[in-house]
Amino acid sequence: GDSVTQMEGPVTLSEEAFLTINCTYTATGYPSLFWYVQYPGEGLQLLLKATKADDKGSNKGFEATYRKETTSFHLEKGSVQVSDSAVYFCALNRNTGNQFYFGTGTSLTVIP
Amino acid sequence: DTGVSQDPRHKITKRGQNVTFRCDPISEHNRLYWYRQTLGQGPEFLTYFQNEAQLEKSRLLSDRFSAERPKGSFSTLEIQRTEQGDSAMYLCASSLVSLMNTEAFFGQGTRLTVV
Repeated sequence: GDSVTQMEGPVTLSEEAFLTINCTYTATGYPSLFWYVQYPGEGLQLLLKATKADDKGSNKGFEATYRKETTSFHLEKGSVQVSDSAVYFCALNRNTGNQFYFGTGTSLTVIP
Repeated sequence: DTGVSQDPRHKITKRGQNVTFRCDPISEHNRLYWYRQTLGQGPEFLTYFQNEAQLEKSRLLSDRFSAERPKGSFSTLEIQRTEQGDSAMYLCASSLVSLMNTEAFFGQGTRLTVV
């Protein structure tokens, strides 16, 4: 069945460090891929998405490229800020599918 | 439009009581999802509606869980005879499903504590 595996946390970085959170997926067909972010006590916010192979999603300095050959969608940011501290979830949805499949989340803490 | 709205934000209930949560989706969205999230885990799919039709409910956790979406607008999730294991965050999401668009927008969730 469809599934998402993402890098376990927690991850602690200093401000301005480079961030990578790994995500790989298993799915039939050609799913859409997403990164969601969750701040403490809040729901999930869509951070970025990609709908087909080689697409790059980007938002707020974060980027992820849909790599079908490696079934990956790694999240990157060149210079993290304290305000990026949150839990990040990788997710997929088959375009005709009825649900989103989420990874277990990666907690990021950025220290000044 | 203010996005997906859930009510209440927090609910504390005694074991054995029934609880009902409400979700108001983004107005033009035709699909509505319910998820459960426990501490340190990703959201777990429960059920979803396409307009007023509940198209998937086999993932509801037990027969104590039920959901409705009358008239294809707001939705309710009810848990009967709550148990301590039901304590979790319940998330609602909505989307406008089309060939070009599949992302879902989430509400802030209802945190349930069963004591």
